[in-house]
Amino acid sequence: GDSVTQMEGPVTLSEEAFLTINCTYTATGYPSLFWYVQYPGEGLQLLLKATKADDKGSNKGFEATYRKETTSFHLEKGSVQVSDSAVYFCALSGSYNTDKLIFGTGTRLQVFP
Amino acid sequence: DAGVIQSPRHEVTEMGQEVTLRCKPISGHNSLFWYRQTMMRGLELLIYFNNNVPIDDSGMPEDRFSAKMPNASFSTLKIQPSEPRDSAVYFCASTRSGDTGELFFGEGSRLTVL
Repeated sequence: GDSVTQMEGPVTLSEEAFLTINCTYTATGYPSLFWYVQYPGEGLQLLLKATKADDKGSNKGFEATYRKETTSFHLEKGSVQVSDSAVYFCALSGSYNTDKLIFGTGTRLQVFP
Repeated sequence: DAGVIQSPRHEVTEMGQEVTLRCKPISGHNSLFWYRQTMMRGLELLIYFNNNVPIDDSGMPEDRFSAKMPNASFSTLKIQPSEPRDSAVYFCASTRSGDTGELFFGEGSRLTVL
């Protein structure tokens, strides 16, 4: 079945460092891909999405490109801030039910000043 | 517009007691999801409703768990009897069917079963 694999955390960075969080997927159809972020004590919220191959999603300085050839959707940010400390979830929409999202296990990012 | 509203935010109970978690989805949304989050298992989908009808309950752990959606603006997740291993944060999320991936999550209900 469809699945998402993302890198283990925690990822620990200094402020202004470059961030990459890897995400790969397995899907039988043509899913949409997402990154959600969860700040401490809150629910998840959509960070960015891409609905077809080669699309780039971007928001708040974060970017991710839908790479069909490598089945990847890596999250990047050029210069992280302390306020980016959170848990990041990669997700895809189900091949047969696009309302249902399949989430990865989450990657915790800790940014220190 | 108000977001997804969950109650209670925190619940501490003793093993064997009944627990009821509540969710009010965003007005106009017709799909509702219940998730459970733990350190060990991450984010698990428990059940999914569309137009108040349960579509997929394959994630419901066992018969102790039940969920209802009597109308478009209210859903409950009940655990009876509760056990310590049910301790987790339970999230409700809603979306408008077809708005692919735009799930809106509540702030969660943190359940501790002693």
